[in-house]
Amino acid sequence: AQSVAQPEDQVNVAEGNPLTVKCTYSVSGNPYLFWYVQYPNRGLQFLLKYITGDNLVKGSYGFEAEFNKSQTSFHLKKPSALVSDSALYFCAVRVLSSGSARQLTFGSGTQLTVLP
Amino acid sequence: DTGVSQDPRHKITKRGQNVTFRCDPISEHNRLYWYRQTLGQGPEFLTYFQNEAQLEKSRLLSDRFSAERPKGSFSTLEIQRTEQGDSAMYLCATSPFANTGELFFGEGSRLTVL
Repeated sequence: AQSVAQPEDQVNVAEGNPLTVKCTYSVSGNPYLFWYVQYPNRGLQFLLKYITGDNLVKGSYGFEAEFNKSQTSFHLKKPSALVSDSALYFCAVRVLSSGSARQLTFGSGTQLTVLP
Repeated sequence: DTGVSQDPRHKITKRGQNVTFRCDPISEHNRLYWYRQTLGQGPEFLTYFQNEAQLEKSRLLSDRFSAERPKGSFSTLEIQRTEQGDSAMYLCATSPFANTGELFFGEGSRLTVL
């Protein structure tokens, strides 16, 4: 079975500072990894994905994430945080080789608060 | 707006009543998913359609839950004999056939069972 862990329920960072939101995964097979963001009263929005290739992937709103196979991690990063980045962030994984080939498995989410 | 549309956005019902949620996908998307999200948790997969065919169902989907996508376009999720534990946000997501997995989510239907 595939699973995703987001070890931090809450991350606080000052505006202008770099931010990191952590994600680790457990799968049998090659993972497809995703980050989604959820603003209050809004649906989840896709940020970025890792499928194959370069371990550093860039996404929307200046976010990037680094795939680390040896550490089974896919941490979300941004060099300079904005107050408007404050939201709930979800990491998700999908494995094509598994029986449940179509679904995404989500982590429990990390609430990011950027302080002005 | 050409995104995924869900209706109703909010539903309050009494325990034991039936409720139905509707999802209208992005028009060219033939894959449709239902997820459930409770407070403090990530979305949990319920079921998946490719066109009108229901190809996957989670163990979370008890026999009180039924989903349909009769013409491969909109989908409905019905919960019969609701229980307080059914209170959650029900999310619909869609994707085109030829993509690598990112989903496009609706804003969800929040169910409160009293």
